[in-house]
Amino acid sequence: QVQLTESGPGLVHPSETLSLTCTVSGFSLTGYSVYWVRQPSGKGLEWMGRMRYNGDTSYNSALKSRLSISRDTSKNQVFLKMNSLQTDDTGTYYCTRAAWGATFDYWGQGVMVTVSS
Amino acid sequence: NIVLTQSPATLSVTPGESVSLSCRASQSISTSIHWYQQKSNESPRLLIKYASQSISGIPSRFSGSGSGTDFTLSINRVESEDFSIYYCQQSYSSPYTFGAGTKLELK
Repeated sequence: QVQLTESGPGLVHPSETLSLTCTVSGFSLTGYSVYWVRQPSGKGLEWMGRMRYNGDTSYNSALKSRLSISRDTSKNQVFLKMNSLQTDDTGTYYCTRAAWGATFDYWGQGVMVTVSS
Repeated sequence: NIVLTQSPATLSVTPGESVSLSCRASQSISTSIHWYQQKSNESPRLLIKYASQSISGIPSRFSGSGSGTDFTLSINRVESEDFSIYYCQQSYSSPYTFGAGTKLELK
């Protein structure tokens, strides 16, 4: 069955870089796009960026200068790196599969990231 | 960027009532709107795609309608498991924005 699992550090210090991994199973990264979506604690959802099935990337312009998304298809993994973290980057980070365009049909369980000194 | 405005922010209902949740887009987006349910401490779940298309495994009491700028998620006879937050999301143009959500709570 389709699964996405996020992993990464729970605590990041201000100004440091966040590195997250999304490991997928049940589908191919060359057949589906994977997106990253985050949710500040107690708030709504924000689309961060995507790794398209063909290897192209796209980023939310609000985060573009700090964000990088890459993948390793042999390991079924998509990676997120975001630098210069601040306290308002605290929240839950999800990876999600896109079907039918940018419609998110499967989601990971999310990883909680706290930015604090 | 396309802004999605959801209303009301909170809706208090009793089980058995039928409800309608609204999502308004800042510009016309055809039917490129999708609805998600998020229960407390869980990931979002896709309920409806492209304004009115059903999703396998989602109860039939959930339905969607609308086109252009005005969209509605309807829940026919709310059940206790439906109390959660509902988000709309547009896939018309990047960035693929979400609404702020409507919280459906027990009255």
